[in-house]
Amino acid sequence: DQQVKQNSPSLSVQEGRISILNCDYTNSMFDYFLWYKKYPAEGPTFLISISSIKDKNEDGRFTVFLNKSAKHLSLHIVPSQPGDSAVYFCAASSKGAQKLVFGQGTRLTINP
Amino acid sequence: GAVVSQHPSWVICKSGTSVKIECRSLDFQATTMFWYRQFPKQSLMLMATSNEGSKATYEQGVEKDKFLINHASLTLSTLTVTSAHPEDSSFYICSARDWGQEGNQPQHFGDGTRLSIL
Repeated sequence: DQQVKQNSPSLSVQEGRISILNCDYTNSMFDYFLWYKKYPAEGPTFLISISSIKDKNEDGRFTVFLNKSAKHLSLHIVPSQPGDSAVYFCAASSKGAQKLVFGQGTRLTINP
Repeated sequence: GAVVSQHPSWVICKSGTSVKIECRSLDFQATTMFWYRQFPKQSLMLMATSNEGSKATYEQGVEKDKFLINHASLTLSTLTVTSAHPEDSSFYICSARDWGQEGNQPQHFGDGTRLSIL
């Protein structure tokens, strides 16, 4: 049972444009959502998170949007840069739970 | 802040060998750490939750006698892959959360250990 889904395995975006990565979840108990960036042979790097009491959180070029009714979150990167090319994972946890549940990841490629 | 160090980064060893991987939180205390495994082109699979001073909690399907976890201090957890075989070859990653901070806090990950069993 995949509780967190990233349905796009890959995404290609031109440098300078907006990258939009999507994530859907099924567990209504999730109340904390995170995005991680991962390069090959490295551990994931935390990018940005959002609590379920909010619908938007912004940090520099990164903005995460949460639509609780649709059980959907997205990560916007603008402007996209070549260094943003990596695999992006969304993750979620429920209140009081320590564990994170990860999506399958989306490979983002920024083309010059 | 919130740096997690993992060592070694790469291990190649013969079948039947036991391998120990260390995970340290460098600038915060972590009463709980997590061990993940990642297969090529797949997501991170949680193996176990490591609790300081008590037994680890293993996820379903993970052999606790195969993957020994010790969390002896607030900054160190170790994963020992016992009698490793080629099917244990994988990328192992640890993470930790700063429980000294209020509210929701992200897990921070080590750089992973590539384990290759010949």
